[in-house]
Amino acid sequence: DGGITQSPKYLFRKEGQNVTLSCEQNLNHDAMYWYRQDPGQGLRLIYYSQIVNDFQKGDIAEGYSVSREKKESFPLTVTSAQKNPTAFYLCASGDRRGYTFGSGTRLTVV
Amino acid sequence: EDKVVQSPLSLVVHEGDTVTLNCSYEVTNFRSLLWYKQEKKAPTFLFMLTSSGIEKKSGRLSSILDKKELFSILNITATQTGDSAIYLCAVGDNAGGTSYGKLTFGQGTILTVHP
Repeated sequence: DGGITQSPKYLFRKEGQNVTLSCEQNLNHDAMYWYRQDPGQGLRLIYYSQIVNDFQKGDIAEGYSVSREKKESFPLTVTSAQKNPTAFYLCASGDRRGYTFGSGTRLTVV
Repeated sequence: EDKVVQSPLSLVVHEGDTVTLNCSYEVTNFRSLLWYKQEKKAPTFLFMLTSSGIEKKSGRLSSILDKKELFSILNITATQTGDSAIYLCAVGDNAGGTSYGKLTFGQGTILTVHP
């Protein structure tokens, strides 16, 4: 079955460390997205990519970086520059028929 | 900057009540408006709206889009405790060609349905 896979589901990071969240899709979608969700709130766009080797900043890109070397993969790195990284991170992919979400990664800074 | 605003931010009702959730938007190149339900993890898709005035229905849920007023509503009739969730509205812009551009979400409406 086609789908979008995020890993890991839970991640703990020490302050000052970079960490990379994985997002893989086999839906042949061109567009991929990363969102951050804080408790009781909506989704805020971090980065998005419409095509391989290209990506754009969303509303809260500071302290994050991405790459899109393959159509299937859109990893997100949370850098030490992100002051409040504890959150739930959702990856999505889409085409003209709609959008599909991964099951999310919950990142906790300890 | 694209903007999506939902209201109310939270709502508490009793089983059997009817609720209306609102979503207004400002998007440069509108392509579609989507509604999602989020219970614990990933949002689940409810509706995609692209044309004004055409109601979409799925069981007790329905939604309609007004592209002139830049507004959409999501109605839930005869609410049940299982409807308790965050309801998210999102707007996709038109990047041109075959690809979707930016997908911007509102803050969400937290719906709580008491027995």
